[in-house]
Amino acid sequence: DAGVIQSPRHEVTEMGQEVTLRCKPISGHDYLFWYRQTMMRGLELLIYFNNNVPIDDSGMPEDRFSAKMPNASFSTLKIQPSEPRDSAVYFCASSLVLLRETQYFGPGTRLLVL
Amino acid sequence: QKEVEQDPGPLSVPEGAIVSLNCTYSNSAFQYFMWYRQYSRKGPELLMYTYSSGNKEDGRFTAQVDKSSKYISLFIRDSQPSDSATYLCAMSPGLSGGSNYKLTFGKGTLLTVNP
Repeated sequence: DAGVIQSPRHEVTEMGQEVTLRCKPISGHDYLFWYRQTMMRGLELLIYFNNNVPIDDSGMPEDRFSAKMPNASFSTLKIQPSEPRDSAVYFCASSLVLLRETQYFGPGTRLLVL
Repeated sequence: QKEVEQDPGPLSVPEGAIVSLNCTYSNSAFQYFMWYRQYSRKGPELLMYTYSSGNKEDGRFTAQVDKSSKYISLFIRDSQPSDSATYLCAMSPGLSGGSNYKLTFGKGTLLTVNP
């Protein structure tokens, strides 16, 4: 298996633009997680899905952020409009079982909002 | 007080040294404790996982949990240059779903092992 796939790997955009990050989880995994990592705040869970259904989105910072999982093999995290403080590395992870099993992280998307 | 505190380092040691990495936490509900390793410009990968208090050993790595002190440690014996990475602790209250599941991470300690 290729592991968790994220695209794009790097994104540079201007403030106010819409940004869409994409994730393909490992085939057969039931759980998908979106994290954000910054120097100031570390690694934070934004939202997670179970069988394509959002379970906990309490980490989503504000309404500018939205996430969808239309099917078991694809998820998006959208920021509209983007702001400079959204600059971070965004990770997608997937797992077969909640918590007990390893979460497999993707390589991340480095987002820079100018 | 932050829920999870971790010294960011950086920590630099010679090859072969014993490395000790630590985290403290404030939430007494945490039951599951993990250590992740993150190489530069990569995603984190799970290194060790323990439940409740006690020790767990895996090769050169030993994880310790002291719930009475709210303190967890990761020891690396005979450290190698390939161990150079950022080490993040993570913890969670449990498996009951919803917000109880959520992993809370430390900010990570940057370790460099010099040949």
